[in-house]
Parts: sequence; structure tokens; C-alpha cells
Amino acid sequence: NAGVTQTPKFRVLKTGQSMTLLCAQDMNHEYMYWYRQDPGMGLRLIHYSVGEGTTAKGEVPDGYNVSRLKKQNFLLGLESAAPSQTSVYFCASSYGQEHQPQHFGDGTRLSIL
Amino acid sequence: GQNIDQPTEMTATEGAIVQINCTYQTSGFNGLFWYQQHAGEAPTFLSYNVLDGLEEKGRFSSFLSRSKGYSYLLLKELQMKDSASYLCAVRDSNYQLIWGAGTKLIIKP
Repeated sequence: NAGVTQTPKFRVLKTGQSMTLLCAQDMNHEYMYWYRQDPGMGLRLIHYSVGEGTTAKGEVPDGYNVSRLKKQNFLLGLESAAPSQTSVYFCASSYGQEHQPQHFGDGTRLSIL
Repeated sequence: GQNIDQPTEMTATEGAIVQINCTYQTSGFNGLFWYQQHAGEAPTFLSYNVLDGLEEKGRFSSFLSRSKGYSYLLLKELQMKDSASYLCAVRDSNYQLIWGAGTKLIIKP
């Protein structure tokens, strides 16, 4: 059982380049989330989805776009990367939004030069 | 604003007991989670509290007082593998998780 899989694991970009981070889950979860984790700060929610075909903004959505065309996949796009987007990105999924915990992928370490 | 406070770092001895505190001020409360995160790895779920009191799971216990906006994670019989960061997260009125910055726990032999 793979759980939540993120690709790629590492990436270095130049300012202005674009890229897409892929998240796939095999637990049939309805809810999926993208977070960023920066030193000295808590996880911050970028975007989330409450089901296939839906997306919503989180706490720090600027500079990012997302899509949830299939229930098992949640894509995070950076259209024009900036050094401030250097971070570790985590995808998570959950069955519901009440007592169910979120399950995390292993993260993508992204550096923008 | 919403705020979760945890100590930045704690040190404890193998075999001992340690208590990691978390205080929160959020817009609404729909449960509190504790996660463990080893360096360079994903956070993994430890415990969930929504009612006041103590929840016990093996060597780990978590306590909640909603009136005080306070929780703690208690780790007993510490092992070297418990060296990790411990993240406190509160689900707010919009059912979004608000995360603390985490407490780095260092276990010494």
C-alpha cells in the first residue's frame, strides 16, 4: 500500500521557470491538500480539494495553481517560480474533515535560484 | 489571528518521561492533532483529542483542556528513535488545520 506518493522528490529551478508537482493517493480519500514547510514555521496550507473536480485556496495560495481532474491525483503548479517559493512541499490526503487524520507524502524539496 | 505555540526544542534522557506543551488561540475548535516528524521525512499521525481529558496510546498520551486552550503530549520510556519534531495542529471553525512550528525533541543516552 503506497499511501501518498509525491514526485519529484527534489528539484532545482531558476527564477521564472515553471513546474508541476504531482501527488497521487491510493486510499480513495476525498480530501487532498498541498502544504509548504519552512524553517521555524508551521505547515502552511496552499490549496486544497474536497473532491474530484474541486479546488479551494488555503492560507498562502499566491503564485500557485492546482488541479484535481482525477480523485487520486492532485497537482500543484508554479507558473513563474520565485526564490520565495524555495521550500519543502507536502501533499496530504484524508477521508474526511472531522476526526480523520491527514496522511502525508514524503515531500518535495524545491530550490529556486 | 490564529496562533499555536510550542517550545522550539527540548532535551530528555533515554528511558525518561517528557511532556511537550501546546497552547492555541484559534477561530473555533474542532479537534487537536499531534504528529511526529523525523528529520527529512513526512509528518505521521500520533493522536487526536476533541474532548477534554487524556487519550492514551501505548507509550504516548495526549491531554486536552479546551477551556484553557491547552494540550500536551506525554512520551514515556523514551527511546532514541523518539528523537524527532512533534507538531501540534488545531482544526478551526472552517475545518482547516492550523499548525504549530513544532518542538524538536533531542534524546540523549
